Amino acid sequence: QVQLVESGGGVVQPGMSLRLSCAASGFTFRTYAMHWVRQAPGKGLEWVALISYDGGIEEYGDSVKGRFTIFRDNSKNMLYLQMNGLRAEDTAVYYCARDWLADSWGQGTLVTVSS
Amino acid sequence: DVVMTQSPLSLPVTLGQPASISCRSSQSLAYTDGNTYLNWFQQRPGQSPRRLIYKVSYRDSGVPDRFSGSGSGTDFTLKISRVEAEDVGVYYCMQGTHWPRAFGQGTKLEIK
Repeated sequence: QVQLVESGGGVVQPGMSLRLSCAASGFTFRTYAMHWVRQAPGKGLEWVALISYDGGIEEYGDSVKGRFTIFRDNSKNMLYLQMNGLRAEDTAVYYCARDWLADSWGQGTLVTVSS
Repeated sequence: DVVMTQSPLSLPVTLGQPASISCRSSQSLAYTDGNTYLNWFQQRPGQSPRRLIYKVSYRDSGVPDRFSGSGSGTDFTLKISRVEAEDVGVYYCMQGTHWPRAFGQGTKLEIK
């Protein structure tokens, strides 16, 4: 069965960096595109980024472009989100999701940006 | 950027009655490959989102057949033929045609 497990969340100060991880299992990770999607407390879903199966395509939402980087290690079945220059408005639960059409989701990891 | 607009944002429904959620996009979601990439997700309280419908009308495995999706171009609809208690939650549409991807604001379904 498909399993996606996010980790790396925590409390960070504004301007700092954080790296999120998503461990994938139960499917052939190297053949799937992957997303990061976030949800601020009490708010709706916001699409953050996508990477193609081989890393050749990266796309970002406007609010994170230039600050966040999505990357993957297919040898380890791992997806990452490097978040730099964090702001209070980046506070959210971050989910990874599989496939161009987001067919499976993890349970999320909470990032809190606060001084 | 494409903007996704859902209505209503709040949907009180009596058990056993039908429900309908509208999702409109600011640009056509028809792609050059002939597909239209409009998905519907359900997020139950305290849970991660779950995909219900992809490419407008294809129901995911395990999704009850009381859920159906329809539409084309810029106008899409998610229908629940008879609402059950387990359907409580927030429903989101998401476009997968244009960059950046975008979700609707969400529609909160509750039991009246």
